[in-house]
Order: sequence, then structure tokens, then C-alpha cells
Amino acid sequence: KAGVTQTPRYLIKTRGQQVTLSCSPISGHRSVSWYQQTPGQGLQFLFEYFSETQRNKGNFPGRFSGRQFSNSRSEMNVSTLELGDSALYLCASSFGKQGNDQYFGPGTRLLVL
Amino acid sequence: AQTVTQSQPEMSVQEAETVTLSCTYDTSESDYYLFWYKQPPSRQMILVIRQEAYKQQNATENRFSVNFQKAAKSFSLKISDSQLGDAAMYFCAYLSGANNLFFGTGTRLTVIP
Repeated sequence: KAGVTQTPRYLIKTRGQQVTLSCSPISGHRSVSWYQQTPGQGLQFLFEYFSETQRNKGNFPGRFSGRQFSNSRSEMNVSTLELGDSALYLCASSFGKQGNDQYFGPGTRLLVL
Repeated sequence: AQTVTQSQPEMSVQEAETVTLSCTYDTSESDYYLFWYKQPPSRQMILVIRQEAYKQQNATENRFSVNFQKAAKSFSLKISDSQLGDAAMYFCAYLSGANNLFFGTGTRLTVIP
């Protein structure tokens, strides 16, 4: 069974631009969660999508948004990029029931100049 | 709010020896799940082991085992017969009822040949 895939793997953007990241979950998984990893803040939860609905949200500004499609693929969008948005963005998929294991993709490394 | 603490930023172990990584957490929930993830230099987060809070028996996966002390809110990872491939960042994580993972700050494990 194929693992979680994320595209693109690397991105360089400038301040003020917007960016869209994509995540394809493991086949059969209906939940996709997004996490931001930075040296200063560590790993932080952004949001979770389940059956095309945002089910849970972390403490991030409204510039961070996402959506999920009927095939469970998810996209994350960051508008008006700031230098501090430079990070590794990880997505994880699971079946979506409480306690299910979350499996991570390889991440998208975003650099904002 | 849930918090996860890893008090050992770095650890080292001789190849073939045993090492224990520490983790404590704080929660008011009664039903939860705990995980250890490994992040090698590739940055891919790999699930190592999980523990259900309602289970008294400590989880074991081959050379990896945990010591789960629910009353003390402690969840340590023991790696036996350490191998060079075990070198990585190890993150302790708490899965909340809302299905999002809270991570510790990580422990960098070095394996000495």
C-alpha cells in the first residue's frame, strides 16, 4: 500500500505571496491532519480534515486554510506569506477514528524570502 | 491543555547497547493514546510504537518497548540492541480526544559504532 505523499517537496516563495501544498493520504484513510515544524516552535498542529470537513483546528492565524476533496486528498493554503512561515509542513493520514495511528508524509519544506 | 515534555535534548548510546528516552505529559483526559515517532535526517516521521492509556501492559515492538506509568504520567522508550540506523530525533506524542497530536521537543539520539 502506498504511503502518504506530499507535493511539492520544496518551495521557495517571497513575502506576501501565497502557496498551496498538497497531501494524498494512504488509500482508505479519510482523515488528513497538517502540522508545522520549525526549530523554534517544534511540531504544531494546524488542522484536521475528515470527510471534506474541517473537524479540528489549531492556534494559527486565518492566513492558514485548507480543504479536503471527495477522494480524501487535502490541500493547505497559506496567504500573505511571512518570513516566519518558513517551515517543514507535514501531513498525516489516518482512518479518522479516535486513537487511530497517524502516518506522516515526507513533508514540504517551505522557505520564505 | 495537554503538554508533552522531553527533558533530554540529546542522548548517545554504544552500538548493541540499550538506551532509554524519557517523556512526561500532562492531561486531564482519561482516555488517550501515546506514541513515539522517529525522525531521521530525511525528516520523514516514522511511527515507532503506541500505547493505549487504558492498557496496563507496556507495548513492545521488536527492539522497542515502553515503560508506561499512568499515575506518574510518564512514558519512556527503551531501545535494546541499538543499531546505527536508530540514530534520529525521537518525538514523544500525545493523541488527544480531538484527534490531534501534541509533540514533545524531541531527543536527538546518536549511536556510536
